[in-house]
Amino acid sequence: QKEVEQDPGPLSVPEGAIVSLNCTYSNSAFQYFMWYRQYSRKGPELLMYTYSSGNKEDGRFTAQVDKSSKYISLFIRDSQPSDSATYLCAMSADSNYQLIWGAGTKLIIKP
Amino acid sequence: DTEVTQTPKHLVMGMTNKKSLKCEQHMGHRAMYWYKQKAKKPPELMFVYSYEKLSINESVPSRFSPECPNSSLLNLHLHALQPEDSALYLCASSPSQGTDTQYFGPGTRLTVL
Repeated sequence: QKEVEQDPGPLSVPEGAIVSLNCTYSNSAFQYFMWYRQYSRKGPELLMYTYSSGNKEDGRFTAQVDKSSKYISLFIRDSQPSDSATYLCAMSADSNYQLIWGAGTKLIIKP
Repeated sequence: DTEVTQTPKHLVMGMTNKKSLKCEQHMGHRAMYWYKQKAKKPPELMFVYSYEKLSINESVPSRFSPECPNSSLLNLHLHALQPEDSALYLCASSPSQGTDTQYFGPGTRLTVL
């Protein structure tokens, strides 16, 4: 079993829809949770960063962490074609340099 | 400014060539990283530098040789690579090792013939 599980997709939704992207993990020591967006042939871009449990909102993006269920989510409201990319979750334990990555979900927003 | 720059953007090299990848950041970060990313896969950690000293080497073959000349620069020297080394090579930095917000550069797309 991988430490971090993420459905690779692709996930295809119409423009304007609410998108839900998810990762599950097995290591209860993880404290830091990140979502990166990666466009084709580009480097990952840090989108959201959350420490421990709870919600964080930034514009159209909301990150949720449920440590009791070992489950994290990224919601995108009013999705746009420009949101089409691969979304990678990553996480790490306290004082641990190493990011453990999900496989990435390819998201396609259809105009 | 959360920018990490990498040069070149693309590199094609033969198996007998020697080349170098360069990475630069001016955010005052003291940890810098090299990752390798194959298509449709997440990044794989190769090396970590902390305060200009090699901190982590994830059992990377010796044909990859990292160098950190100063706190802003990170190089990856390449020699006698194999076609399977073709990948996107990503540099990242963070305020310190153990601080987990890593900022990535755009990557160098490497093709080994």
